[in-house]
Amino acid sequence: GAGVSQSPRYKVAKRGQDVALRCDPISGHVSLFWYQQALGQGPEFLTYFQNEAQLDKSGLPSDRFFAERPEGSVSTLKIQRTQQEDSAVYLCASSLTPSPGLEAFFGQGTRLTVV
Amino acid sequence: GENVGLHLPTLSVQEGDNSIINCAYSNSASDYFIWYKQESGKGPQFIIDIRSNMDKRQGQRVTVLLNKTVKHLSLQIAATQPGDSAVYFCAERRSGGSNYKLTFGKGTLLTVNP
Repeated sequence: GAGVSQSPRYKVAKRGQDVALRCDPISGHVSLFWYQQALGQGPEFLTYFQNEAQLDKSGLPSDRFFAERPEGSVSTLKIQRTQQEDSAVYLCASSLTPSPGLEAFFGQGTRLTVV
Repeated sequence: GENVGLHLPTLSVQEGDNSIINCAYSNSASDYFIWYKQESGKGPQFIIDIRSNMDKRQGQRVTVLLNKTVKHLSLQIAATQPGDSAVYFCAERRSGGSNYKLTFGKGTLLTVNP
């Protein structure tokens, strides 16, 4: 596709349930980023991949959060034992270069609601 | 802690007026700033960027001003249109080893009245 694609667009999970959020970056983009956006707030960095290597996961809130990009293309963000505070929009972005900015494109996000 | 923030959470303007959205940042190590537009249900969309060695940059109908002395960033939108209605975020990138990471401000909701 022409842009970054995320699925599902919306996800409702019961507290304690595991969820998996998918990101299809723009073909050929080396860098992939995950951000978390709480309601009414700006996005917050979660993790960064360069190809299949996860170079920074310092923003992951807890060990319940796990991200992978095994073949350097599609990425999955997994949240185990979801809690209400995990409710947010999860944004994925990809870029040809490591630096964000003009070259980085965001997907529409997955809105996760934990009930 | 250090943060990027906005003075005004909401801004309402009339169509055709100019809009100014402000942002304060506190990290003097930041070397690159970006303004994003986010419409409801969509991801952030790049508008314009500026490097710390510049104080002004112009795009199509938009201008970004950077005042490093007071750590202030602004986005000016000329002849604001209804399609400009959205939340606007400033973001900073800190120089050094983590230059892939963006820190976003809280956002300003711009409403354009026809």
